[in-house]
Amino acid sequence: QSALTQPPSTSGSPGQSVTISCTGSSSDVGTYDYVSWYQQHPGKPPKLMIYEVSKRPPGVPDRFSGSKSGNTASLTVSGLQAEDEADYYCSSYGGRNNLVFGTGTKVTVL
Amino acid sequence: EVQLLESGGGLAQPGGSLRLSCAASGFIFSDEAMSWVRQAPGKGLEWVSVIRGDSPDTFYSDSVNGRFTISRDNSKNTLYLEMDSLRADDTAVYYCARGFRWIDYWGQGTLVTVSS
Repeated sequence: QSALTQPPSTSGSPGQSVTISCTGSSSDVGTYDYVSWYQQHPGKPPKLMIYEVSKRPPGVPDRFSGSKSGNTASLTVSGLQAEDEADYYCSSYGGRNNLVFGTGTKVTVL
Repeated sequence: EVQLLESGGGLAQPGGSLRLSCAASGFIFSDEAMSWVRQAPGKGLEWVSVIRGDSPDTFYSDSVNGRFTISRDNSKNTLYLEMDSLRADDTAVYYCARGFRWIDYWGQGTLVTVSS
């Protein structure tokens, strides 16, 4: 199964908002509400930020929000902070007991 | 506190084998599906395999199917990944991870390098 498509990079100034897209197909994102988002700082393991499209685990700031429309999911980071600078990956259940990740997006805080 | 501690990584020759282990603590291990996810140097995340919590059901990505075997010992709270017929493109950090449809806890990872 092919990786989900994300933009390679995006950036914003502190306090601004950035939105990262995650485009799949009708076999994964378009069919299942099992889209999740992960934040990864250099040299660290990923951290779950969003699951089931829009749910936040305990401890994740409400500045992070998720949504989905058709075959595309999105992660929005509002009120950008310096510590939000990281790589972000989406993932989706792809049916037939398969999980597929996105290509990853580097977020830079200017 | 949930903890996942991988071990067993290292250097392996092409065509060789390696066995990874992941010691879990801080939760009821047998209740949870467990996955392996890998990340090649400078690359993105790739799901490798999953094993259900209380059943022998296992599933693999196409890239490792037939070469890797996931297993678990619920009495020891330990997850395993047996890797055979290793190739250069298996070189990656391998993460032990709790969950499948979403992964809520990750280990620190163990580096596997396949090279002659």
